[in-house]
Amino acid sequence: QSVLTQPPSASGTPGQRVTISCSGSSSNIGTNNVNWFLQLPGTAPKLLIYGTNLRPSGVPDRFSGSKSGSSASLAISGLQSEDEADYYCAARDDSLDGVVFGGGTKLTVL
Amino acid sequence: EVQVLESGGGLVQPGGSLRLSCAASGFTFSSYAMSWVRQAPGQGLEWVSTISGNGYRTYYADSVKGRFTISRDNSRNTVYLQMNSLRAEDTAVYYCAKNSGDFDYWGQGTLVTVSS
Repeated sequence: QSVLTQPPSASGTPGQRVTISCSGSSSNIGTNNVNWFLQLPGTAPKLLIYGTNLRPSGVPDRFSGSKSGSSASLAISGLQSEDEADYYCAARDDSLDGVVFGGGTKLTVL
Repeated sequence: EVQVLESGGGLVQPGGSLRLSCAASGFTFSSYAMSWVRQAPGQGLEWVSTISGNGYRTYYADSVKGRFTISRDNSRNTVYLQMNSLRAEDTAVYYCAKNSGDFDYWGQGTLVTVSS
């Protein structure tokens, strides 16, 4: 059971906009920044969003992050087939004095 | 170019020990925290441990506290994870990652299998 809660799956068609939610608590998302990672099958995770809404160099602006209270969201606009992957949210948890991840969301492009 | 390369994984019996190494390059190693994150087969990501840039502060997940020890040698640009009293549930790919939380560079991972 992950500390942060994500839907196990999400889907969309090419060109569509999809959002993935990440629910936490006051000790993690409510107080700290949220980071999002993308993992393609058989590969290492890759940083997608850091500081809740910042994109590392090279990440398309189709990807955006936001936060409200103790919940965060990742939005992907102009969905492409190569976006099909597992997505994870993460945040520091002050009560646990460490980093917590969501269980991951498998995104399918129909 | 930033590179992170793990080594040391393998098959170990329950109760055994293993030491993972992570060699990094392409950035000022001593200025950054380094972390270990693991992924059990078919499962999600789990943060394991983080060490500060100067090595003075260490943090552990409850699931490994008291059994795993993280350390670093800034002269060798290397971080280590000493794993003792290994259990079947420690079986996973172990990733080394730069930073703490906003893991911006990851290694390719090293597989640790705990089985008799």
